[in-house]
Formats: sequence, C-alpha cells, structure tokens
Amino acid sequence: NAGVTQTPKFQVLKTGQSMTLQCAQDMNHEYMSWYRQDPGMGLRLIHYSVGAGITDQGEVPNGYNVSRSTTEDFPLRLLSAAPSQTSVYFCASSYSGRNYGYTFGSGTRLTVV
Amino acid sequence: GDSVTQMEGPVTLSEEAFLTINCTYTATGYPSLFWYVQYPGEGLQLLLKATKADDKGSNKGFEATYRKETTSFHLEKGSVQVSDSAVYFCALSDLSGATNKLIFGTGTLLAVQP
Repeated sequence: NAGVTQTPKFQVLKTGQSMTLQCAQDMNHEYMSWYRQDPGMGLRLIHYSVGAGITDQGEVPNGYNVSRSTTEDFPLRLLSAAPSQTSVYFCASSYSGRNYGYTFGSGTRLTVV
Repeated sequence: GDSVTQMEGPVTLSEEAFLTINCTYTATGYPSLFWYVQYPGEGLQLLLKATKADDKGSNKGFEATYRKETTSFHLEKGSVQVSDSAVYFCALSDLSGATNKLIFGTGTLLAVQP
C-alpha cells in the first residue's frame, strides 16, 4: 500500500550513540519532513525538504542531521544521542503546495538512557 | 508568528454525545486549515481540511467551518462513538515561506465512554 514507511518502530540508545531513523515514501511527494512529539508540546518540526538535494532546518534542528539524495528517502541522523532526544519521531510527506495535507508514518519511539 | 490554539483536554464524553473541540488561529494571511486524528500507537491521519474562508470540511461525520471573522476552525460531530477516542490536532499552513510547512496545535485528547 502507498504510504510513508518508518523504521525502526522502537529503539533504545545509550547516551552518545548515533543512529539513523529511516523514512521512505512511494507517492512521489516532493515535500518531506521530520517532527518530534513530546507530551504537552504537540509536534515540533526538526528538518524538512522540498525536493531531492534540498533540506532546511525547522524549529528544533540541533543534534539532528538530514539528507535527501532521492525523492523517496529522507533519513534522520542523531549524531550523539542525549536523553533530551527521547521522543516519538514522525516522518511526513506531501505534494508541494499549501492546500495539501500530510501523510504521516507510524512513528519511531526512541528512548535514550 | 503564526500559531494555533486548541482547547485543553482531556475531553470525556458518553457515547452519542455531541462533540466540539475548539481551535483558533493567528496568521498574517489566509492559511489553509486542517484537522488531524491520532489513534493510540499510530501516526497522524488527515481528518478534514478547508482552504478558504467559509469552506466546510467534512469526513466520517466530523465537520469544521473556516471562520475568518473569528479566526476559528472548531471541530464538531453530532454523535460520537467509542471508536472516536483519539487525540485531535488542529493545524494551519505556514505562509511565511515558499514551502508547505504546517503549524500544529498541542492536541486534544478525546475519550468516549460506552
């Protein structure tokens, strides 16, 4: 089925470790983004991309890197995990244009100990 | 900057009750407005949207009308079911740049009891 696929679904990291959260979409969406969801804070934008080779920072980019080498994939890299990065991470994609809604992945629950 | 304010939850209702979840926004232009729903353990799903003033979005018995004069986009449903229990997010399209970023409210938890 067409959609946004995120892996892994769950991850436990030790402080200082690095990892990559994977996101792939098969809808040929130009726009992709990463959010983190924390209790009482809604969703906060980490990074986004308007097309292959183009990325930009969102509201809370520190400690995260992204790249977009293909239209389909938009991985999120944690460089040196910290307990403050314990959260649920969502990838979302859409067609370009402000009237389109997002399609979200099912999320990655990350715990940093 | 642009922002979205939702009523705080949780909202607890009995089955078949009428639902209203308030959403107001602040924006310098005329954004598109969205409601998303998140069921337990899942990602967000687009529930409905409205792209201009006085538009009414509707889906699965839920409705919301884009009110420019009151800068509101309240979510309503005439008769809720237990299966409607979820977190509901109001969002607007950010007009500050050339991208289609969304700004989300903090979410409202709805719990429907049988």
